[in-house]
Parts: sequence; C-alpha cells; structure tokens
Amino acid sequence: EIVLTQSPATLSLSPGERATLSCGASQRVSYNSLAWYQQKPGLAPRLLIYDASSRATGIPDRFSGSRSGTDFTLTISRLEPEDSAVYFCQQYANSPTFGGGTKVEIK
Amino acid sequence: EVQLVESGGGLVQPGRSLRLSCTASGFIFDDYAMHWVRQAPGKGLEWVSGINWNSGGTGYADSVKGRFTISRDNAKSSLYLQMNSLRGDDTASYYCVKGKTSGYHNCFDNWGQGALVTVSS
Repeated sequence: EIVLTQSPATLSLSPGERATLSCGASQRVSYNSLAWYQQKPGLAPRLLIYDASSRATGIPDRFSGSRSGTDFTLTISRLEPEDSAVYFCQQYANSPTFGGGTKVEIK
Repeated sequence: EVQLVESGGGLVQPGRSLRLSCTASGFIFDDYAMHWVRQAPGKGLEWVSGINWNSGGTGYADSVKGRFTISRDNAKSSLYLQMNSLRGDDTASYYCVKGKTSGYHNCFDNWGQGALVTVSS
C-alpha cells in the first residue's frame, strides 16, 4: 500500500497569499497517478487536479499541481475566501489511498 | 449534468447487513469504472471498493475484504455495495464515485452526496 503523508495539517493565510500544500508518497507513484480534491464542510469532495498537474474541468487556473520524485505539491497562487476547505491528495497507481488532508483557513 | 444518488443508508446493528445503491445519470454509465469511498464523521477519506466498466475487475480495501461486495447493473445505470458483518468502525458516509476512465485505477471526477451508515446497537 502506498501511504500518503500531507503537510501541514493546517494552513492559515490571508486572501491573495500563496498556499503551498505537500503530499509525500511512501514509494514511487507511477504514471503521475496522483489527484487533489477540495472538500468544504457538509459537501462531497471535488476533483481539482489529476495526473499530478492537469486541472479538472471548471477549476480556476490559480490551482496548480506539480511533482518532484515522490513529493507532490498543490499550489493555490492567490487565495480567495472561497478556497477555505480541506484538501486531500489521492494516488491511483495501485489500490487507491488518500492522504490525511490539509485544512486551509482564510484569515 | 452527472448525477449520482445514493440510497439504502441508515442505522444497523453490529453483525447485520445493509445494501447501498447508487443510481447514475448524465453520462454513459457502462463507459466508466465506479467506486465507493467512505468518510467517518470528522475523519478523512477511505477508498472502500471499485469495479471496472464491465464488472471484469473489482477491488477492495483490506478493511472490508471478505465482508463487502461491489456490483453494478449497466442496464439500470446502478452501482451497489452489499455490506455484511457490519462493525462499529464501518460507521461513515458512503459516497458513490465515478471513475475518470473505464479502467479500475483512476481518480474520481464525480461524487454523490453520500449515504450515512451508522452501525450501533
């Protein structure tokens, strides 16, 4: 099983600032098979990024994903109040697993 | 518009069974893999089970293997999860989720609203 470790657990930033969320994999994730999801309270998760760096349909370009070895990053370039949510990474190279999540708070 | 509507959740005693259903619309159901993902109250996401487009491949999390069975009926655009020998740690919202492709290993591009399953005596 590929274990995904997300950091930090909580990120508190102001509108307009840049948010950098990390997701580290316990082993190589083949074919860039990593996705990012956003979940707001009481709602189902929403796909933001797939294949490590491709934006899903309708996702603003302030969201971007990247990879360096076994480490993956979700960047929100200019935070907006509606970006307040929990963000999860997920690998699908083999049996899917999720990271524990990063909560983004907007000051 | 893709819609995934779960049903069949509720309160069940430990050791009993429950069957979740998911009715899909807005896309060609038999072109895509489907999955169940759960979330315990206040916790993170856990993939439960997945099935490819033609039921030729299925997978289960270790935590449910041997107790849960996933199935689909493409003629009815429906997905099912038969849950047996339920335990307290199965308490969660269960999401019906559409895979992004027909294959089993993929990400999840559409989610239902979730069905709450509570296992308690």
